[in-house]
Amino acid sequence: DTGVSQNPRHKITKRGQNVTFRCDPISEHNRLYWYRQTLGQGPEFLTYFQNEAQLEKSRLLSDRFSAERPKGSFSTLEIQRTEQGDSAMYLCASSGQGRVYGYTFGSGTRLTVV
Amino acid sequence: QQPVQSPQAVILREGEDAVINCSSSKALYSVHWYRQKHGEAPVFLMILLKGGEQKGHDKISASFNEKKQQSSLYLTASQLSYSGTYFCGTGYFSGNTPLVFGKGTRLSVIA
Repeated sequence: DTGVSQNPRHKITKRGQNVTFRCDPISEHNRLYWYRQTLGQGPEFLTYFQNEAQLEKSRLLSDRFSAERPKGSFSTLEIQRTEQGDSAMYLCASSGQGRVYGYTFGSGTRLTVV
Repeated sequence: QQPVQSPQAVILREGEDAVINCSSSKALYSVHWYRQKHGEAPVFLMILLKGGEQKGHDKISASFNEKKQQSSLYLTASQLSYSGTYFCGTGYFSGNTPLVFGKGTRLSVIA
């Protein structure tokens, strides 16, 4: 198992463009999380899935953000009409179901909106 | 709801000890601890569940005080490799809710 994989590692986009990130979790993990991290801050929760069901979205998440996890495997996070405030590291994590599992994070996708 | 970590930053010489605290204003079900090195993903260290248990991992251990809704991470005889930012992630209710992370404590170990 190669861990949690995220693509691309870096993305530079112009304001107003749409971007999509991909996360491939550890295969036996049924929970998948998206977090956003800015410099000097802890990861901020965006949304999470259990299998293919999206169970929770942060109230901070605007309707420009959407996430999917078709067939309970990989997940995509799309940001439409990007703004400069969207610049951040987007982290994906996966875990098994149950109270004793920690999260395994991917290396993240760094988004820069210019 | 975000847990409060203290201190914000600490500098240690090799071999010294440190304590990092994580406090919540809400009743905790679980506390996770992670370490993140610059430019890398957070790495899971340990999890503590409601019940006040203490865990250890080599020279890094942690405790969970349910009454105070607080967890402490103890680093003993620090090594250069301990440098990084430590985050606590708190879980509420049944533990099925996504973790809420603190702002982190930056630890620098110098020779």
